[in-house]
Amino acid sequence: GDSVTQMEGPVTLSEEAFLTINCTYTATGYPSLFWYVQYPGEGLQLLLKATKADDKGSNKGFEATYRKETTSFHLEKGSVQVSDSAVYFCAPKAAGNKLTFGGGTRVLVKP
Amino acid sequence: DTGVSQDPRHKITKRGQNVTFRCDPISEHNRLYWYRQTLGQGPEFLTYFQNEAQLEKSRLLSDRFSAERPKGSFSTLEIQRTEQGDSAMYLCASSLVQGGNEKLFFGSGTQLSVL
Repeated sequence: GDSVTQMEGPVTLSEEAFLTINCTYTATGYPSLFWYVQYPGEGLQLLLKATKADDKGSNKGFEATYRKETTSFHLEKGSVQVSDSAVYFCAPKAAGNKLTFGGGTRVLVKP
Repeated sequence: DTGVSQDPRHKITKRGQNVTFRCDPISEHNRLYWYRQTLGQGPEFLTYFQNEAQLEKSRLLSDRFSAERPKGSFSTLEIQRTEQGDSAMYLCASSLVQGGNEKLFFGSGTQLSVL
């Protein structure tokens, strides 16, 4: 079945630092790729997505590029804010219509 | 658009009791998903509906678990004879599939504690 490996947290950063969260996946076929975010006390929400190779998803200053050759979808942000403190989940969506989530990476941004 | 609603927000029960959770999706969304999330882990897929039809069930969904979506709107998830291992956050998500595009909207979840 589909699986996701993402870097374990917590990741602790200072404000304005550069953030990278690695994600690699295995999936049948040609999946769409998603990053979801869970802010403290809130439900999961879609952060960005990419549906084909070399596509770049972006939102709120975050970016991730669909790398088919390395089966990766690493999340990056050039300058994080305290409000980016959250848990981030990588999730491919392949055959069967369901999202398969990684274990999540907790990010804590300190002022 | 009031978002996906889940009820109750918290449920504490004793081992062996039955519990039922409700999910109200966003109006006119044709797909509805149930996921389970334990502390420090990502959500795990349980089952999903296309309108009223249950199209897929995970192997995680033992025979003690049953889900329904009788009129293609709200859904219920029942757990019979609860066990301590059932303690988790149960998440519901809905989506409107159009032209192959799909965006899931998640509810805030029902936190189940089995004592």
